[in-house]
Amino acid sequence: QLVLTQSPSASASLGASVRLTCTLTSGHSRYAIAWHQQQPEKGPRYLMKLDGDGSHIKGDGIPDRFSGSSSGAERYLTISSLQSEDEADYYCQTWDTGIVVFGGGTKLTVL
Amino acid sequence: EVHLVESGGVVVQPGGSLRLSCAASGFSFDDYSMHWVRQGPGKGLEWVSLISWDGRSTDYADSVKGRFTISRDNSKTSLYLQMSSLTTDDTAFYYCAKDILRRGYNTPDYWGQGTLVTVSS
Repeated sequence: QLVLTQSPSASASLGASVRLTCTLTSGHSRYAIAWHQQQPEKGPRYLMKLDGDGSHIKGDGIPDRFSGSSSGAERYLTISSLQSEDEADYYCQTWDTGIVVFGGGTKLTVL
Repeated sequence: EVHLVESGGVVVQPGGSLRLSCAASGFSFDDYSMHWVRQGPGKGLEWVSLISWDGRSTDYADSVKGRFTISRDNSKTSLYLQMSSLTTDDTAFYYCAKDILRRGYNTPDYWGQGTLVTVSS
C-alpha cells in the first residue's frame, strides 16, 4: 500500500534553515512526489515536484529558498533563510495508477 | 494566469445530495486532468477524485466511491462533483485543482480557494 509518512511538527528560527522529510513505503522508494504548502486560512499551493534522483520542478513564483532533494525512500524539502510567512503546513503527495496519496502534513513553526 | 473558483458549498442534511462546481480559466482546460481534494476541520488533505482531460477516465478514493461522481464540461471550462448519501464525515473544504501533466496525471500544480460543505442536521 502506497503511504507517505511525515512528522507532525517542526520548528526553526527566523533566518535559519529547516529540512522537512517525507518517507515513502518500502517498495515505492523510487516514486516521485510533490510538496505543497498551506498557509493558515488559505488553500494549498504547489511548491515542487521531486523525483527520486533529487531533480525537481518548482511552481511559478516559488522562491529559490525552497529546494528539494532525495535519498532512498526519503524526500526532503529544505527551506533556507526562514521568513515568518513560511509558517504553514507542508504536505507531500504522490500518485500511482488510479490513486493520489497525501502525507499527513508537517506543521512548521517559525520561532 | 490560472484561476480556479469553486462554488456550491452549503449546509446539507445527512443523507442529502449536493453538486459542487469549479470554474477554470487561464489555461487550456481540455488538455489537463483535474482533481477534487478535501480537508476536514483540523485535518490534512485528502484526495477525493480525478478526471482525465477528455472526461473518459475517472478515479475515486475508497471513502467516496459509489457516492460521488466527478464530471467536466470542456465547452464551459468547468469541473463538477456530484455528492450523494452525504454523512458528517464528508464535512470539509473541497478544493478543485489542475494537474501539472498535459494529457496525463500526477500532481496538482494549481489550486482553488475551496468551498465549504457542512453536513449537519
